[in-house]
Amino acid sequence: KQEVTQIPAALSVPEGENLVLNCSFTDSAIYNLQWFRQDPGKGLTSLLLIQSSQREQTSGRLNASLDKSSGRSTLYIAASQPGDSATYLCAVVAAGTASKLTFGTGTRLQVTL
Amino acid sequence: GAVVSQHPSRVICKSGTSVKIECRSLDFQATTMFWYRQFPKKSLMLMATSNEGSKATYEQGVEKDKFLINHASLTLSTLTVTSAHPEDSSFYICSARDRGAPAEQYFGPGTRLTVT
Repeated sequence: KQEVTQIPAALSVPEGENLVLNCSFTDSAIYNLQWFRQDPGKGLTSLLLIQSSQREQTSGRLNASLDKSSGRSTLYIAASQPGDSATYLCAVVAAGTASKLTFGTGTRLQVTL
Repeated sequence: GAVVSQHPSRVICKSGTSVKIECRSLDFQATTMFWYRQFPKKSLMLMATSNEGSKATYEQGVEKDKFLINHASLTLSTLTVTSAHPEDSSFYICSARDRGAPAEQYFGPGTRLTVT
């Protein structure tokens, strides 16, 4: 059974800092991995999707990497801003599971002024 | 971009009543929709996969007679919580897979259910 873990569970950084969020998964046979953002009481916003054949994806200040063989992904946020404060979730689609997402435990990020 | 809506956004109901939550894909066709449940400060747990025109597939431990799912069209899936109890109080989120771009899922804004 696929298990997805995110470290740290919570993180507080001052504005302007670069930061890294970590995600690990137990079964490396994945179809893709996705990073999401969730604001309190809201739904999910997709940030980046990495196919199993890819090693990284970039969007603006965000960069996500994937090391499938070691079961790890990182989300790098450059020059953090208070508006980045949210919970970040990673999720994987295991190969052969018809797009079923298994979510990580989330990292709650707060960027302070 | 692809938009998924949910209605209602919040609902409060009494124990024993049933509540219906709608999930709509507004600008794309979704052959598959997913229903998730999220407890406070916890991650999302998949409840069931809803396929247009066929019966939903439920995850282990999810009571199909309690959580009725109907996916009658390519843009609408409904989740009905029957005979609701306080322990059913939760945040319910749906997602939809674009028929034209099946690798991605788009999430609705969620429905907060409170059973008193």
